[in-house]
Amino acid sequence: AQKVTQAQTEISVVEKEDVTLDCVYETRDTTYYLFWYKQPPSGELVFLIRRNSFDEQNEISGRYSWNFQKSTSSFNFTITASQVVDSAVYFCALSVGETSGSRLTFGEGTQLTVNP
Amino acid sequence: DSGVTQTPKHLITATGQRVTLRCSPRSGDLSVYWYQQSLDQGLQFLIQYYNGEERAKGNILERFSAQQFPDLHSELNLSSLELGDSALYFCASSVRTGDPYEQYFGPGTRLTVT
Repeated sequence: AQKVTQAQTEISVVEKEDVTLDCVYETRDTTYYLFWYKQPPSGELVFLIRRNSFDEQNEISGRYSWNFQKSTSSFNFTITASQVVDSAVYFCALSVGETSGSRLTFGEGTQLTVNP
Repeated sequence: DSGVTQTPKHLITATGQRVTLRCSPRSGDLSVYWYQQSLDQGLQFLIQYYNGEERAKGNILERFSAQQFPDLHSELNLSSLELGDSALYFCASSVRTGDPYEQYFGPGTRLTVT
């Protein structure tokens, strides 16, 4: 079975601060994919990134960066110079190989509030 | 805009009733997934269809059923509704199963059971 844990239920920062959202996953599969989604107050789920288990290279996209470490089963997400518009619930998710389909197993989510 | 559409946006109904939620995937996507987001259960996978056939099942109640039609749109049927079924129901689509391309989510249908 797969499991995703986001230990931080809520984080509050002041604008321009850097913030890191933690994600720890569990799976016995050697091939898997990790995702981050953003859910703003409007409710939709917005895809941010996908990484596969064979690619541990960190990724940067603008103010967003992701740190994937298989040794610690973690896939952390950092927002640099946070902005009020970053306020949302962020979900980490895991998907494994073909035999179980491509369902996403989500973590509990982290509510990020960026104050002006 | 993800390209996935869901109707209706909001639905209010009474216990014991039956409702149908509709989803149209992105153009070209063969896989459709249904998820339920509730306060106590979080975001949970319900069921997946691929090109008209059921592909995977998650924590879907027997009172719930789904299907995918030849035009690839999907419907989620919820019957004998209970208060605890109140939730946000998401549909997502992706290009194909077996290779978990990013799933693009619709705006969701908020179901309130009174």
